[in-house]
Amino acid sequence: EDQVTQSPEALRLQEGESSSLNCSYTVSGLRGLFWYRQDPGKGPEFLFTLYSAGEEKEKERLKATLTKKESFLHITAPKPEDSATYLCAVDGGAQKLVFGQGTRLTINP
Amino acid sequence: NAGVMQNPRHLVRRRGQEARLRCSPMKGHSHVYWYRQLPEEGLKFMVYLQKENIIDESGMPKERFSAEFPKEGPNILRIQQVVRGDSAAYFCASSPGLLEQYFGPGTRLTVT
Repeated sequence: EDQVTQSPEALRLQEGESSSLNCSYTVSGLRGLFWYRQDPGKGPEFLFTLYSAGEEKEKERLKATLTKKESFLHITAPKPEDSATYLCAVDGGAQKLVFGQGTRLTINP
Repeated sequence: NAGVMQNPRHLVRRRGQEARLRCSPMKGHSHVYWYRQLPEEGLKFMVYLQKENIIDESGMPKERFSAEFPKEGPNILRIQQVVRGDSAAYFCASSPGLLEQYFGPGTRLTVT
């Protein structure tokens, strides 16, 4: 059974303080690993897809990386508007995403 | 290109009533998925439909829940005889193929 574990559950940073969020996964055959951002009361917003170990993708202050066992979402010099819950999900080939519990990120000004 | 649309955004039902949740996928997307997010829990897959066919309903409760993909009009997630445990946020997602899924804003169902 595919599994995704995210850590930490919650992270509080000061504006400008860089950090990383972790997503550990177990999947029989990875077709893709996805990062989403979810604001309170809204649906998940697509950020990145990673397909194979060693792949990296960047968007503004976010950078996602992938190994055979985990993915990291690095956030550089975050701003208060980056506060959200970040979700990691895997597709093991069945077209159904298996999500982690998310990391609730708060950036204080 | 409009995103995935869901309505209503909030729905209140009494125990025993029926709930009908509607989803319009993004233009050009023929793959539709439903997920449920229970309070304090992560998103869980319910059902995957493609062009009016149910491909995978392994995450759907066996009773009271059904998904419809009519030729015209929005997709429907139907919950019959709702119970308090059905209270959750229900999200619809769509994709153009075997690619990333784009989510709608969700319908928050409250059963009283």
